[in-house]
Amino acid sequence: EVQLLESGGGLILPGGSLRLSCAASGFTVGNNYMSWVRQAPGKGLEWVSIIYSGGPTYYADSVKGRFTISRDNSKNALYLQMNSLRAEDTAVYYCAGGKSSSWYWDYWGQGTLVTVSS
Amino acid sequence: ETVMTQSPATLSVSPGERATLSCRASQSVSSNLAWYQQKPGQAPRVLMSGASTRATDIPARFSGSGSGTEFTLTISSLQSEDFAVYYCQQYNNWPPTFGQGTKVEIK
Repeated sequence: EVQLLESGGGLILPGGSLRLSCAASGFTVGNNYMSWVRQAPGKGLEWVSIIYSGGPTYYADSVKGRFTISRDNSKNALYLQMNSLRAEDTAVYYCAGGKSSSWYWDYWGQGTLVTVSS
Repeated sequence: ETVMTQSPATLSVSPGERATLSCRASQSVSSNLAWYQQKPGQAPRVLMSGASTRATDIPARFSGSGSGTEFTLTISSLQSEDFAVYYCQQYNNWPPTFGQGTKVEIK
């Protein structure tokens, strides 16, 4: 059974930094396309970032230059370093993985809430 | 970016009835379209990829159709567990984008 478990969310001041983690089991992070997808309160889904199995990384324009996706194959974990946080980054952040080398996601974590507020 | 537009925003349906959800893309996405179901407080769950291929363990009452810019998700006979929000997502053009969702509620 595939499980993705996010952690690291919380309340943070505007301009602050936060690092999200996603621990995977039953699914190899390093062999698959892994993404972060977020959902602002009461809103729809927004793709944030992706790391390909080969290593390249890409970002939504809204977070480019502020967020960094990475992984640790030895820990089978995915990360999202978030800097210069803004109120509009407030959302539940989901870790998501795809079985095929594509940009849709078969597996999702339960999400971790990030609240950016003073 | 490719804008995905779903209609209606809310669909009121009685249990046992058919529900038809629409998704339109601002440019062709071929058949590279996925559908997700999301219940309150839960993560999305993939229902369909390739516009019409059901994901593992998805019941046959869910079917998808369409290609290019027009897509449909049909739930043939709504069960109580199907009341949720449904999102379409294209993965043909960069960046991947979602529709705003259709809420299927009990009539």
